[in-house]
Amino acid sequence: AQTVTQSQPEMSVQEAETVTLSCTYDTSESDYYLFWYKQPPSRQMILVIRQEAYKQQNATENRFSVNFQKAAKSFSLKISDSQLGDAAMYFCAYRTDMNRDDKIIFGKGTRLHILP
Amino acid sequence: DSGVTQTPKHLITATGQRVTLRCSPRSGDLSVYWYQQSLDQGLQFLIQYYNGEERAKGNILERFSAQQFPDLHSELNLSSLELGDSALYFCASSVGQPGTSEFFGPGTRLTVL
Repeated sequence: AQTVTQSQPEMSVQEAETVTLSCTYDTSESDYYLFWYKQPPSRQMILVIRQEAYKQQNATENRFSVNFQKAAKSFSLKISDSQLGDAAMYFCAYRTDMNRDDKIIFGKGTRLHILP
Repeated sequence: DSGVTQTPKHLITATGQRVTLRCSPRSGDLSVYWYQQSLDQGLQFLIQYYNGEERAKGNILERFSAQQFPDLHSELNLSSLELGDSALYFCASSVGQPGTSEFFGPGTRLTVL
């Protein structure tokens, strides 16, 4: 079974600095999808970025980028120029490419604090 | 706003009771997923429906059931409620094709007293 591990329960970063959140996963599949979701205090789940495993190029979305290392099964999220609004719980997630069982598996999350 | 709607936003009930949570997916989405998030926990997948049929099942208790209706809205029924069922219940929707992103509703906060 696939698993997703986020080894950092909490992190802090100074406003305007850069922070990297770690995520590793375990799978025997070759095709899959990876996601980072943000959950602010409102508890809404917001998709931040996604990565297709077959793509070698790392995904970027404005200040958010990933470092996808397929062989190492690592999928870290880098937030540049951190802003107060980035304070949230961040979940790394995995989705299989299997058509009949495409649920998302979530890590336990990393709580990110932004220091003014 | 993700386009996924959930009602009610909050629900307070007593142990032993039964409640129904409702979800309307984004326009055009055929898949609906239900997740449970207990306090300070990650999301646990409960069940998925695609175009009216159950597609995948996670750690869903026998006391819980769900269905997706012809208009694609979905309901999650929780019965014989226990204190431990208190949680945030999310519905998400997607087109339902491999790898497509899921978009989450705002959640229903269930409190069992």
